[in-house]
Amino acid sequence: QSALTQPPSASGSPGQSVTISCTGTSSDVGRYNFVSWYQQHPGKAPKLVIYEVTKRPSGLPDRFSGSKSGNTASLTVSGLQADDEAVYYCSSYAGSNIVVFGGGTKLTVL
Amino acid sequence: QVQLVESGGGLVKPGGSLRLSCAASGLTFRDYYMSWIRQAPGKGLEWVSYISGSGSSIHYADSVKGRFTISRDNTKNSLYLQMNSLRAEDTAVYYCARIRGSGDYPYFFDYWGQGTLVTVSS
Repeated sequence: QSALTQPPSASGSPGQSVTISCTGTSSDVGRYNFVSWYQQHPGKAPKLVIYEVTKRPSGLPDRFSGSKSGNTASLTVSGLQADDEAVYYCSSYAGSNIVVFGGGTKLTVL
Repeated sequence: QVQLVESGGGLVKPGGSLRLSCAASGLTFRDYYMSWIRQAPGKGLEWVSYISGSGSSIHYADSVKGRFTISRDNTKNSLYLQMNSLRAEDTAVYYCARIRGSGDYPYFFDYWGQGTLVTVSS
């Protein structure tokens, strides 16, 4: 199974919005609405921020939103804050009891 | 609250073995599928394996199939990963994570441990 494709970096100024893409295939992202996103700060464990394409875990601010079109899923972070600076990973169920992750996108808050 | 604490990592020579453990608390452990996910230094996340609540359903990534064995002890609220025939490319931080999904299908990982580092080097 190939990893999902994410841009290596993204950036935005405080208060702005930034969108990170995650491109898969018709066998994973395109086939299943089971895309999730994880935020990872340096030296920390990943934290779930979006699941099942658009849903937010309880307690997560609505500045984080997800969407999907065809084989590409997207994570949008609105009203950027300094603490949003982290690496973001997408993931998708890929059938046959397999999960795939993207390579990660480092989000820099300028 | 849910807590997952991994242990057992360390330095091992190529071809050697290591057993990782994950102690779970704050959840009815037997009700949940659990997974191991790893992250090589400076690299992205890679799913390794997952196991059903009863332990009857187990799945592995191709990269570890035949070398790693996942198991659990619901009486001890613990998840394990037995790693044999270790290679340099198995060097990574290994995380245990709780799975949310439907039936035998993992949809996402909602709680993660802090990870334990495995280094395979001569």
